[in-house]
Amino acid sequence: GENVEQHPSTLSVQEGDSAVIKCTYSDSASNYFPWYKQELGKGPQLIIDIRSNVGEKKDQRIAVTLNKTAKHFSLHITETQPEDSAVYFCAAPTPNTGNQFYFGTGTSLTVIP
Amino acid sequence: ETGVTQSPTHLIKTRGQQVTLRCSSQSGHNTVSWYQQALGQGPQFIFQYYREEENGRGNFPPRFSGLQFPNYSSELNVNALELDDSALYLCASSPTVSGNTIYFGEGSWLTVV
Repeated sequence: GENVEQHPSTLSVQEGDSAVIKCTYSDSASNYFPWYKQELGKGPQLIIDIRSNVGEKKDQRIAVTLNKTAKHFSLHITETQPEDSAVYFCAAPTPNTGNQFYFGTGTSLTVIP
Repeated sequence: ETGVTQSPTHLIKTRGQQVTLRCSSQSGHNTVSWYQQALGQGPQFIFQYYREEENGRGNFPPRFSGLQFPNYSSELNVNALELDDSALYLCASSPTVSGNTIYFGEGSWLTVV
């Protein structure tokens, strides 16, 4: 089955700096990769996603890049703010499905004011 | 537009008991998935329901079962509760069974003592 690895497990950055979180996946047929943000005591919130026919997608301060050859995708947050502090999860579809997912183990991001 | 709603938000059960968790999908979403999230881990796929039938299952024993109703709402039932079942149970809905994007509710925190 799919194996999604996520790094780092914790990340601390100064406010205004950039943060990068990386995930690798094993199923070369995977074609959709979402990122979720989970705040304490809440459910995961979809923040950005990318499909395999594009290499990069941006939404204001957030971007995701995809390298299909290397089978990895990354979340980039620029100009970080304290409200970006949360746990971030990447995900990839289970084989032969479109919306049943394997999730990474999460990255706890702390933005230091 | 109403998002995914789950109930109860918190509950405590004794080992060996049974529990039922409930989920109302986002308006217009006909596919519901359930995930288990242990403390400090990423969500793990339990199963998905579409047209009132199970449409995919993760690596969970048969004592985890579910239902979907004609209005697309869903229940997760867990029999013979074990201590390791203590987790956040997340419901997610998607507009179609073939679509990629899933949206999570806030979850139900289950503690087994």
